Amino acid sequence: KQEVTQIPAALSVPEGENLVLNCSFTDSAIYNLQWFRQDPGKGLTSLLLIQSSQREQTSGRLNASLDKSSGRSTLYIAASQPGDSATYLCAVMDSSYKLIFGSGTRLLVRP
Amino acid sequence: DAGVIQSPRHEVTEMGQEVTLRCKPISGHDYLFWYRQTMMRGLELLIYFNNNVPIDDSGMPEDRFSAKMPNASFSTLKIQPSEPRDSAVYFCASSLRGRLDTIYFGEGSWLTVV
Repeated sequence: KQEVTQIPAALSVPEGENLVLNCSFTDSAIYNLQWFRQDPGKGLTSLLLIQSSQREQTSGRLNASLDKSSGRSTLYIAASQPGDSATYLCAVMDSSYKLIFGSGTRLLVRP
Repeated sequence: DAGVIQSPRHEVTEMGQEVTLRCKPISGHDYLFWYRQTMMRGLELLIYFNNNVPIDDSGMPEDRFSAKMPNASFSTLKIQPSEPRDSAVYFCASSLRGRLDTIYFGEGSWLTVV
C-alpha cells in the first residue's frame, strides 16, 4: 500500500529565505507526482507536476525534483514571500489514477 | 469555466440526520473524485467515477456512505445516518482522461455533525 510522508509538518521562516519541503513515498510504481497548495478554507491548487519519467519541473520561484528510485521528491521555494504561506501537499498518482496525499507541510513566511 | 462547484459550502447537522453533498464537475471532464480531509487522517480518496461509473469505492468508510453520479454533470455523496466522526471537509475533484495530470478541486463542503 502506497504511503506518502511529508517532512517537516510545519515550517516558519523569515521572508526572503530559500526553503525545501520534503516528500517521500513507499512504492516507486507511480504515474506522476504532484505538489499542491492549500490556503485556509480553500480547495487545492496544483503547483507542479512531475511525470514518472521526469526528474524535475520549474515554475517561477518553485522547483520540484523527483527521484523515483529512492521514493523522494523535494519542493524548493526561492526567495520566500509572506504570500507563500499555506499548506503544501505532495501527492502521487498510482497506476489506477488514484492520488494519494501526504499530510502536508504548513508554511509560514514571516514579514 | 466555473471550475468544480460544490454545495453546500458549510453544513451543521445533528447526529443521525441524512447529509447530501453535491458536486458539479468541469464540463467535459470524465473522471470525478470524492475526497475527505480531516486533521487526523489528511486527504483520503473515498470513491471515483469514470464516465459516471464507480470505478473504486474502496475508500468509502462504511455502508452509511454512498455516492452516485446519475449524469456527467452531477454527483452526490450521501451519509445516512451521520455521526460526529464524519465531521470533515469533503472535496470533489474532476479531470479529463488523457490529462489526468491536471486535476481540479472544488472548494470543499465543510461538514460538522453535532
